[in-house]
Amino acid sequence: DIVMTQSPDSLAVSLGERASINCKSSQSLLYSSNNQNSLAWYQQKPGQPPKLLIYWASARESGVPDRFSGSGSGTDFTLTISGLQAEDVAVYYCQQYHSAPCSFGQGTKLEIK
Amino acid sequence: QERLVESGGGVVQPGGSLRLSCAAFGFTFSAHGMHWVRQAPGKGLEWVTIVSYDGSNQYYADSVKGRFTISKDNSKDTLYLQMNSLRPEDTAVYYCAKDGVRCSSTSCLTHFYSYMDVWGKGTTVIVSS
Repeated sequence: DIVMTQSPDSLAVSLGERASINCKSSQSLLYSSNNQNSLAWYQQKPGQPPKLLIYWASARESGVPDRFSGSGSGTDFTLTISGLQAEDVAVYYCQQYHSAPCSFGQGTKLEIK
Repeated sequence: QERLVESGGGVVQPGGSLRLSCAAFGFTFSAHGMHWVRQAPGKGLEWVTIVSYDGSNQYYADSVKGRFTISKDNSKDTLYLQMNSLRPEDTAVYYCAKDGVRCSSTSCLTHFYSYMDVWGKGTTVIVSS
């Protein structure tokens, strides 16, 4: 089974600054059929279900602000929020779908400094 | 508008059973695999299970294998999760989620799971005596 590890567990960033969250997988997530990485990012605010932000490691979901971006390949990935806004306070999760069972990282709590 | 609505949660004693339902609206249910994901109180997300678009294939997390069964009725646009032999550690909010890839008889043949692009609001299951 693939294990997903996020870092840091929590992060405090000033408004307008950049926030970066890392996600490392125990195996490569490169999917040979389309040469893309099977990695998604989600945002979860308190009392709400998760919301898809990024899929295939760097494709932004429709309606997601362009300050959210995903990068990385193989086993190391990053979610970057450029120009942090107050509404970005949430817990962020990465998820691999390269092989079943699918798995999530433990989550990173993002707060305002 | 694509939407998912879960129901069936409640309080059940250890060893008991419960069936969750998830009604789908606004998309071609028969063309998408469907997931269940759970979240224990104050904890992170745990993927539980996936069923393929046509209901013919499933995968389960080791923590629920042999106890939970996922199914979908494409004639009713409804997803189910039958939960048997429930344990206190199954206490969680259970979310159903739509798989983001559209499938057909010629696609998703071996790899029928991906990211989750639509989520329900969740239904709460409490296993306690």
